[in-house]
Amino acid sequence: QSALTQPASVSGSPGQSITISCTGTSSDVGGYNLVSWYQQHPDKAPKLIIYEVNKRPSGVSDRFSGSKSGNTASLTISGLQAEDEADYYCCSYAGSFTFYVFGSGTKVTVL
Amino acid sequence: EVQLVESGGGLVKPGGSLRLSCTASGITFSNVWLSWVRQAPGKGLEWVGRIISKARGGTADYAAPVKGRFTISRDDSENTLYLQMNSLKTEDTAVYYCTTFNQFNAFEFWGQGRMVTVSS
Repeated sequence: QSALTQPASVSGSPGQSITISCTGTSSDVGGYNLVSWYQQHPDKAPKLIIYEVNKRPSGVSDRFSGSKSGNTASLTISGLQAEDEADYYCCSYAGSFTFYVFGSGTKVTVL
Repeated sequence: EVQLVESGGGLVKPGGSLRLSCTASGITFSNVWLSWVRQAPGKGLEWVGRIISKARGGTADYAAPVKGRFTISRDDSENTLYLQMNSLKTEDTAVYYCTTFNQFNAFEFWGQGRMVTVSS
């Protein structure tokens, strides 16, 4: 099972909005509404920021939002802040043989 | 506050074995489903395997690259998750994270990670 495809890097200025795409197939992203997103700062453990495509865990800023269309999921960060500079990974459930597949990761840079 | 603390790991030669442990607090351990996720140096995240609660059967599932070599188990009396790694390969070199995962198949809480290096 190949990793889901994400852009290697995305950048934006403080206050701007950016969107990270996550492209899979009908066997993973397109087949289930079970896409999650993780934020990882350098040398830290990942943190869940979106689950079930567009839901935020308690305590996660509402500047983070998720969506999905067909085989592509997206994470939007609005009102970009310096603290948002991190790596972001998507993940999708992929059925009872492969189970879970992560995206290739996107490095977000705040200019 | 949920805390997951991994231990074990270190340096091992190819073909060797190693066991990681993950002790949890702040949760009803017997109810949670648990998973291992790894990250090779400078690379992305990779799912390793999961184990469901004993109430739901306690079965474990594995990613293809580790199936037959790794075994996940749990001791609910000790609030501890284990990852037994056998026949280790250089490509198993990574930081290994234990995580809980919820009914939406999202990895909710993460440990701090433990480095495993497979090298001769």
